[in-house]
Amino acid sequence: DQQVKQNSPSLSVQEGRISILNCDYTNSMFDYFLWYKKYPAEGPTFLISISSIKDKNEDGRFTVFLNKSAKHLSLHIVPSQPGDSAVYFCAASGGRDKIIFGKGTRLHILP
Amino acid sequence: DAGVIQSPRHEVTEMGQEVTLRCKPISGHNSLFWYRQTMMRGLELLIYFNNNVPIDDSGMPEDRFSAKMPNASFSTLKIQPSEPRDSAVYFCASRQGLGNSPLHFGNGTRLTVT
Repeated sequence: DQQVKQNSPSLSVQEGRISILNCDYTNSMFDYFLWYKKYPAEGPTFLISISSIKDKNEDGRFTVFLNKSAKHLSLHIVPSQPGDSAVYFCAASGGRDKIIFGKGTRLHILP
Repeated sequence: DAGVIQSPRHEVTEMGQEVTLRCKPISGHNSLFWYRQTMMRGLELLIYFNNNVPIDDSGMPEDRFSAKMPNASFSTLKIQPSEPRDSAVYFCASRQGLGNSPLHFGNGTRLTVT
């Protein structure tokens, strides 16, 4: 049973446009959410996070939005750049400090 | 800061053989996590340690899998005997403290069991 779901395996976006990656979760005990970025042959690297007491967190080109009532979060990248092509993982934690990841979304930035 | 170090980077073995994956966390980090990445299941949490003590091993798929953390600077994940369905990329990650500090991942071990 996937507690963190990324329903889009892949996404293609034109360079300079906005990339929106979506994530849904089922466990209402989750209170902290993270996004990780992964390049081939490397481990995931932390990108941005949000606490459940907020509904938005922004860091440069990256913004994460949290909708607790819908159990949904999204990552916005504006403007998208070629170096943003990677796999993006959504993750959630709560309670016993377990961090649960989704299956990932592969983002392709098109020239 | 050398980051989280995993060895080997690649492991190819035959079904039935024992496999040992190794991890050195970042110095000063007191929590360590083992994950497995597959196409079907994404990044699965296998087990995590806090202050060298296993906290939750509910993600370990079978008794063939075991993990140890004998000290703060070393952990192993062992599969005995290995099976073809164990083929995956295994990641180790560490972090300082609990709660909301982010994980730092190693570059993973790609395991192929033939």
